[in-house]
This record gives sequence, structure tokens and C-alpha cells, in this order.
Amino acid sequence: QSVLTQPPSVSAAPGQKVTISCSGSSSYIGNNLLSWYQHLPGTAPKLLIYDNNKRPSGIPDRFSGSKSGSSATLGITGLQTGDEADYYCGTWDTSLSAVVFGGGTKVTVL
Amino acid sequence: QVQLVESGGGLVKPGGSLRLSCAASGFTFSDYYMSWIRQAPGKGLEWLSYISTSGTTMNYADSVKGRFTISRDNAKNSLYLQMNSLRAEDTAVYYCARLRSTGYQDDWGQGTLVTVSS
Repeated sequence: QSVLTQPPSVSAAPGQKVTISCSGSSSYIGNNLLSWYQHLPGTAPKLLIYDNNKRPSGIPDRFSGSKSGSSATLGITGLQTGDEADYYCGTWDTSLSAVVFGGGTKVTVL
Repeated sequence: QVQLVESGGGLVKPGGSLRLSCAASGFTFSDYYMSWIRQAPGKGLEWLSYISTSGTTMNYADSVKGRFTISRDNAKNSLYLQMNSLRAEDTAVYYCARLRSTGYQDDWGQGTLVTVSS
């Protein structure tokens, strides 16, 4: 069981917005930098957000990251059918010297 | 552009061994920490191990500690994962990824499938 908890699934219609939460203890979330990944089956996972809210080059601004208290959030606006994928939050746990991933959230475009 | 290509996966019997490789190109391999991550069928991403630029510092997830060994050859731009005492639950797609200083993986390979079955 991961220290980062995500909802198993979220869904919305094309064009709408979805948010995916990544929760943990307030000290854990507050003291660590969060990243978000998109994973389509059979492909390489893709980095969407790093250092809580930064987008790598080439990632559209439809994807956003934020953090507050004991939770981080990935937002996807203007939902497209191509956004159907699994999404994971992650962080570096300094005490473990290890990367930690959330359990993943499946996004369905209705 | 950054390219990471895993190889070495396949079918192995329980208790067997396998060595995965990850060939890196498009960046200065020796400047970056590297990770191995896997995804078992129907499961989420599981981080397995990281290695420092020089190869002198590494760490492992508890699930593979003592059975898997990460290494690298900077002269060959290659990352390795030696997997011993394999179990059915090690069946997964294994990915190598570049690990950045604040703990995120910015580039990933396409993965190689390891199946542990008798």
C-alpha cells in the first residue's frame, strides 16, 4: 500500500475538466515535490508535471498540477479521447531514498 | 533526442535469473541517475531501484532487495538489472528511466516484458 493515495478512476465528457487527487499525510505531501505521469497501455509512461506544477516542454497547458495541505491535484481541461489513460503521481521519499508512486487513476472519456 | 531502449526480457522459470539492459542515447548518460520501474499485469507502477551517476550509490525497493542488482557502464551508455531468484510475482513489464535531481523520471523506455512461469 502506497503512502500516496489516488482514486481508482475518474470520468468526464469530452471538453470537460477532470481532477485527480494524490493524497498523503500533510507533512509528506508538504515536504516533497510531486510529479505526474500519463501511461497508455503498451507505451512508455510520459512525464506531465514535475516539481508540483511545472510542465516539461511539449506538454500542453491543458495539464496542470497543484498542491495544498495533504493533497496534490492533477487537472486536465478540454478533455480529449486521447487523454484516456492511467495517471500516476510520484515523489522522492528522502527517508527511504526511494521513488514512491501512487496507485494510479484511470481516466475515462465518456 | 533522448532514447532509452530496454532488452533482455523473456520467459524464465521460477528461481531463474535474467539480466535486463537499457541502452541510452541522445544525452550524456554519465551525468544522470537512472531508475528501474516495473508494471505487473493489472497493477500500477512500482519503482524498483536507482543508481547514481558513478554507480557507487544505489537503493532498492523491499520487494527486490537482495535479489536484484542494478549497475551501469558509462563507457557503454548502458544500464543493467540483474534479476536472481525470480518469482511468479516478478512477471511485469520493466522500464528504465532517467531520474532527475528532484526525484522525477523525465524520460522512459518502452519496456521489456519478463514472464516468470514454469
